[in-house]
Amino acid sequence: LAKTTQPISMDSYEGQEVNITCSHNNIATNDYITWYQQFPSQGPRFIIQGYKTKVTNEVASLFIPADRKSSTLSLPRVSLSDTAVYYCLVGDEVTGGGNKLTFGTGTQLKVEL
Amino acid sequence: ETGVTQSPTHLIKTRGQQVTLRCSSQSGHNTVSWYQQALGQGPQFIFQYYREEENGRGNFPPRFSGLQFPNYSSELNVNALELDDSALYLCASSGGTGDTEAFFGQGTRLTVV
Repeated sequence: LAKTTQPISMDSYEGQEVNITCSHNNIATNDYITWYQQFPSQGPRFIIQGYKTKVTNEVASLFIPADRKSSTLSLPRVSLSDTAVYYCLVGDEVTGGGNKLTFGTGTQLKVEL
Repeated sequence: ETGVTQSPTHLIKTRGQQVTLRCSSQSGHNTVSWYQQALGQGPQFIFQYYREEENGRGNFPPRFSGLQFPNYSSELNVNALELDDSALYLCASSGGTGDTEAFFGQGTRLTVV
């Protein structure tokens, strides 16, 4: 499985756009990139998934350059409730019936007033 | 709410004892995965059950075992508890091939003393 590297922590203020970058230099051809969000004492929650270029949903955008060796999760206009740990996952098991997910330590995002 | 429920929410056990944790998967989901999350770490994959059969296992000793029932609910059993087994245990359900995300329960906080 491709190893991911992401910042340990980030700080932001309400209303700002937050971009969290994840490096995955050894990503394989079949691998997808998936981001999960986790609040304290809760299970992770799926945010977004992509393979290449750009994916957008009601919560976030995911930017993936052509070489796919990195990806950026973009959270528009964050609020205090976006304070959480964000995990970047890479693998072919993140889709379908596999879902044998490999989590790193994630990025702790702290949003302040 | 993900539709995945775990019980109990909290549990305190003594070293050497055995524990059983339970998970009810989301309606229509036939795959259940279990994860262990130590404080400050990302979830670590324990094993997965697909249609009542074990379908992959992470780097956990045999004293971690599981079951999946015909209604796709699942149990995680841990024998000979050790202090390091203290963690949040998460259950995730997914619907099989083509499903792009895993739905996590709120977890069971196990404390071994």
